[in-house]
Amino acid sequence: QKEVEQNSGPLSVPEGAIASLNCTYSDRGSQSFFWYRQYSGKSPELIMFIYSNGDKEDGRFTAQLNKASQYVSLLIRDSQPSDSATYLCAVKMPGGGNKLTFGTGTQLKVEL
Amino acid sequence: EAQVTQNPRYLITVTGKKLTVTCSQNMNHEYMSWYRQDPGLGLRQIYYSMNVEVTDKGDVPEGYKVSRKEKRNFPLILESPSPNQTSLYFCASSPGLENEQFFGPGTRLTVL
Repeated sequence: QKEVEQNSGPLSVPEGAIASLNCTYSDRGSQSFFWYRQYSGKSPELIMFIYSNGDKEDGRFTAQLNKASQYVSLLIRDSQPSDSATYLCAVKMPGGGNKLTFGTGTQLKVEL
Repeated sequence: EAQVTQNPRYLITVTGKKLTVTCSQNMNHEYMSWYRQDPGLGLRQIYYSMNVEVTDKGDVPEGYKVSRKEKRNFPLILESPSPNQTSLYFCASSPGLENEQFFGPGTRLTVL
């Protein structure tokens, strides 16, 4: 079992729709969770982080964390073509210094 | 401007020819890391450093060396590059263990 799993996609949604991206992780002791966006050929940039169970909203983005079920999700409301990118889920697992364990990413395509 | 810089951005070299990829950050961050990104494998940590003169192995350290003589710099050294080290490399820094990691622009390395 991979430590952090994401569906590779591509996930296609029409412009204006809600995009839902999911991530599961293996280590129940994990405490910090991050969503990064990566455009092709560019470096990852942070979209959101979440530490506590529940929802965290920032503009069009909502991160949801359920530690009991070991999943974290990212919702993008009113999806725009500029949201088309690969979304990386990253988990800070216990120990391991400052290592982030990344999923392989979900490619999102927002279609006009 | 707060940033992480890497040089070179692109490098084509031959097997066995020693090379260094530099990384520098101007945010006074204590934590720095090197990752490689490969299709289907995602981002994997090579080495990390929690402070000056403190470095430790990540998930894929074989064939790499690092040093942290100054807080701002964290070079990645390939003593004898091999074709399986062809990859996209990212340097990252963060102020603390649980904080966001800021990524550099990436170095695309090809070893022939």
